[in-house]
Order: sequence, then structure tokens, then C-alpha cells
Amino acid sequence: AQTVTQSQPEMSVQEAETVTLSCTYDTSESDYYLFWYKQPPSRQMILVIRQEAYKQQNATENRFSVNFQKAAKSFSLKISDSQLGDAAMYFCAYRSPLYGNKLVFGAGTILRVKS
Amino acid sequence: KAGVTQTPRYLIKTRGQQVTLSCSPISGHRSVSWYQQTPGQGLQFLFEYFSETQRNKGNFPGRFSGRQFSNSRSEMNVSTLELGDSALYLCASSPGQGSSSYNEQFFGPGTRLTVL
Repeated sequence: AQTVTQSQPEMSVQEAETVTLSCTYDTSESDYYLFWYKQPPSRQMILVIRQEAYKQQNATENRFSVNFQKAAKSFSLKISDSQLGDAAMYFCAYRSPLYGNKLVFGAGTILRVKS
Repeated sequence: KAGVTQTPRYLIKTRGQQVTLSCSPISGHRSVSWYQQTPGQGLQFLFEYFSETQRNKGNFPGRFSGRQFSNSRSEMNVSTLELGDSALYLCASSPGQGSSSYNEQFFGPGTRLTVL
């Protein structure tokens, strides 16, 4: 069974600085997708960034980028120039095409942004 | 385009009762997935429906069931409620079957169920 581990229950960052959230996963499959979702206090889950396992190039979306290390099964999220609006719970998630749209989530990391 | 809607947003029930939650996906989306979110267990997949058929099921007891209608709206039902069923129930809709990473899932605001 696939598992996703987020080892940092909580992280803090100063506004305008950079923070990295960690995620590791376990799977025996070679084809899969990885995601970072953001859940602010409103509880609305929002997709931040996605990565296909077959792509070597790390995904980037504006201030958000990932460091995808397939051999190490690691998928970290870097947030640059942190803003107060980035404060939220961040979830790392895994999806295998074998199981449709089923997402396997990590436990989440609470990100606090200090002004 | 309207987003994913879930009704009701809040619900209070007592042990032993049953409850039905509703999810209306984004227009044109054929897949609806349900998740349970609790502080202790985190986010756990319940099941996915695609074109009125259950495609995947998580590790939940048979008290949890669902269905999808021809207009893609989905309902989930929990019978004989237990205290541990108190959770935020999220549904997510997506256009297709999940074979592409760009088959993005859009989440609804959730239904907060409290079992007393």
C-alpha cells in the first residue's frame, strides 16, 4: 500500500523568507502523480502544485516549487517570498493511475507566517 | 462556473442515527470522491464514483455507503452513527478518470458532522 509521510507537524517562516516543507512516500509503482494541497482555516482544499513521476524536471508555480527526488521517494515544497496568505495546513498527496482519482494524503504540516 | 457544493455544511446527530450528505460536482465533471478528515486519522479516502459506478473504495466499514446519480451528484450515507464518525467530510470532483495528472480534483467546502 502506498503511504505518504510528512515529518514536520508545524513550521514557521518570517514574511518574505523561504521555507521548505518535507514529504516522503512509499510505493512500488513507477507511474504516479504527486501533489501539494493547501488547506487554509476556511477548510477549502486548494491545489498548489503537481508533479508527474515520469518528469525529471521539477514543477514550479510562481513562488512555489518542488524538489522531486524519485529514487529517494522525496517530494519537498519550497515557498519563496512567503506571504501572510500562505499560512495554512499543507498536505502532500499521492495518486496512482491504477486507482482512479484516489488520493493518499500525508498527515499535513501547519505553516505559520510571522510578520 | 460554480464550484463544488456540499450540503449541509454543518450537521449534529446522535449515536445510532443515520445521516446523508450531498455533493454537487462542477458542471461536466463525472467523478466524485469522498474523504473523511479527523484530527486523529487525517484525510482518508472513502470512495470514488464515476458515471454512477463505484470505482474505488477505502477501508471503511459497511456503514459508510454512497451513490451517484445520472447528473453526477453524489450522496454518502452513514448508518448507525458512532462518536468516532464526527469529522469533516470532503468531496472532490474531477472531469475524468484519473489517468492524467491534469485531471485536477476540485474540493468542496466540506460538511462538518458532529455525533453526540
